[in-house]
Amino acid sequence: EAGVTQFPSHSVIEKGQTVTLRCDPISGHDNLYWYRRVMGKEIKFLLHFVKESKQDESGMPNNRFLAERTGGTYSTLKVQPAELEDSGVYFCASSQYSGTGEGSGANVLTFGAGSRLTVL
Amino acid sequence: AQKITQTQPGMFVQEKEAVTLDCTYDTSDPSYGLFWYKQPSSGEMIFLIYQGSYDQQNATEGRYSLNFQKARKSANLVISASQLGDSAMYFCAMREGSWGKFQFGAGTQVVVTP
Repeated sequence: EAGVTQFPSHSVIEKGQTVTLRCDPISGHDNLYWYRRVMGKEIKFLLHFVKESKQDESGMPNNRFLAERTGGTYSTLKVQPAELEDSGVYFCASSQYSGTGEGSGANVLTFGAGSRLTVL
Repeated sequence: AQKITQTQPGMFVQEKEAVTLDCTYDTSDPSYGLFWYKQPSSGEMIFLIYQGSYDQQNATEGRYSLNFQKARKSANLVISASQLGDSAMYFCAMREGSWGKFQFGAGTQVVVTP
């Protein structure tokens, strides 16, 4: 099966510009997550979709970030206007369903390769 | 508050030797899952191994094993017979309860030397 696909792989923009990152999860995966890793720091949770609904957006840093998931399929993460501190690698991940019962396969997050954002 | 702690920022290990990567976690939820991911220099995140909080036995996947000590809240990853291709950043992660918010540690950079 196709994995999680992220686009673009690398984006370089100037402060104040807008960037939109896209994530295509694995087909059939209801759960979609966005994470961010700033250079040398831990991977931070941004938000979690269940199908098209935002289940948890507690990690979104501020209102310059807008995430959508059209029809419960692909997701976009828009940063507008971008600031220097937004630079980092944005990871998207998906999983089939939540739960901590038996069967690790259902619990595993499958990550995309990440979108590296550089704000100058 | 930091939920996942990886105290080793970097480690060197010789090829064919075993290495243990430390991970401690903090939760009051009785139901949780623990995960290890590998991130090579190419950037992708690769799932390695999973341990559920109710699992009685330590998880193993090939050369990877998870030393799960529930009372101490630790979930150390053991890589046996290290290979050059094991050089990467390794992340420990936890999910609490039934909803899928994963929390990650800061990672441990492993360098395997010939």
